[in-house]
Amino acid sequence: NAGVTQTPKFRVLKTGQSMTLLCAQDMNHEYMYWYRQDPGMGLRLIHYSVGEGTTAKGEVPDGYNVSRLKKQNFLLGLESAAPSQTSVYFCASSYGGGGTEAFFGQGTRLTVV
Amino acid sequence: EDQVTQSPEALRLQEGESSSLNCSYTVSGLRGLFWYRQDPGKGPEFLFTLYSAGEEKEKERLKATLTKKESFLHITAPKPEDSATYLCAGNSGGSNYKLTFGKGTLLTVNP
Repeated sequence: NAGVTQTPKFRVLKTGQSMTLLCAQDMNHEYMYWYRQDPGMGLRLIHYSVGEGTTAKGEVPDGYNVSRLKKQNFLLGLESAAPSQTSVYFCASSYGGGGTEAFFGQGTRLTVV
Repeated sequence: EDQVTQSPEALRLQEGESSSLNCSYTVSGLRGLFWYRQDPGKGPEFLFTLYSAGEEKEKERLKATLTKKESFLHITAPKPEDSATYLCAGNSGGSNYKLTFGKGTLLTVNP
């Protein structure tokens, strides 16, 4: 009963490098989300998806891209990492929209040097 | 713009000392007010959803209440294992399914 699984858990990137964060959920949820959490800022929505093949921008989408090719997976890409993207990234999923409870992964701590 | 403000930022209690955390919100067309618990190094864990003013929900030592402008998380006779950051979030519905999170209250319960 894994729930929401994020890969990797930790990563250090050099400025300008690219990477992909993987999120997988086994609850057959339609909705998936990527958040970032920074000290003193709270959780902020980067991108979200309301179903397989769909994506939409959240509150802070610049510098990120996402894909939802399979219902269970939601990928977050950084094409050219910047120090401002140093953060803890959380993936979440829910069976309904924002009015339903979301289940979060354990997070990915990303440092860009 | 939707806003969620939590107070206090940090709270230290002795074991058994009851208190309340506050979450005030300005979320247009609120469709749900959520409380989450977050332990260090982990993702938020769902606690409660409140949908309408006057609603209350309880779970063990925790009780969440909702008015038209704010929500309270009451902690009765807390134990050290209740130490965590408690997050409040509001959903305005519409088409973006966005949860607006507060910055959280760091609760420490000393034995």
